[in-house]
Amino acid sequence: QVQLVESGGGVVQPGRSLRLSCAASGFTFSTQGMHWVRQAPDKGLAWVALIWFDGSKKEYADSVKGRFTISRDNSKNTLYLQMDSLRDEDTAVYYCARDYRKGSYFDFWGQGTLVTVSS
Amino acid sequence: EIVLTQSPATLSLSPGERATLSCRASQSVSSYLAWYQQKPGQAPRLLIYDASNRATGIPARFSGSGSGTDFTLTISSLEPEDFAVYYCQQRSNWPRTFGHGTKVEIK
Repeated sequence: QVQLVESGGGVVQPGRSLRLSCAASGFTFSTQGMHWVRQAPDKGLAWVALIWFDGSKKEYADSVKGRFTISRDNSKNTLYLQMDSLRDEDTAVYYCARDYRKGSYFDFWGQGTLVTVSS
Repeated sequence: EIVLTQSPATLSLSPGERATLSCRASQSVSSYLAWYQQKPGQAPRLLIYDASNRATGIPARFSGSGSGTDFTLTISSLEPEDFAVYYCQQRSNWPRTFGHGTKVEIK
């Protein structure tokens, strides 16, 4: 069965960096696009970034463009999110999610990892 | 950016009742709309994609309709496990956006 397991969350000071990972199993990772979606405490969902199955295309939300970088290692079945210049408003649970079809929807989700940006 | 407005914010119903949730887009998204269910402490689950197609394993009591700017998620007869928050999401334009959610609570 499809499994997505995020890791790397924690407490970090504003302006610092953090890298999230998402380990995938149960499907052919190298053929699927992947997303990061976040959810601030007691708030709704917000799409963060997409990476194409082969890494050839990336898209970002305006709120993270220039600060966050999505990447993947298909040999390790792992998705990453490098988060630099973190701000208070980046505090959220970060989910990795499998792309349903060409950057459209999110058909499987991990359980999320909490990132808290606080001094 | 396409804004999705969900209504009502909260829906108070009893098990067995019919639930009707609305999602309105700030501009046409054609049929490129999905619905998700999220329970407390859990990740969201895809219910409906392309406005009216049930995702794998989703019970038939969930149905979606609409096109353009107005969409509806209907739960024909609420089961105890259906009390949750529901989000709509569009794939018509970048960035992908979600509505703010409708909470379906037990009356």
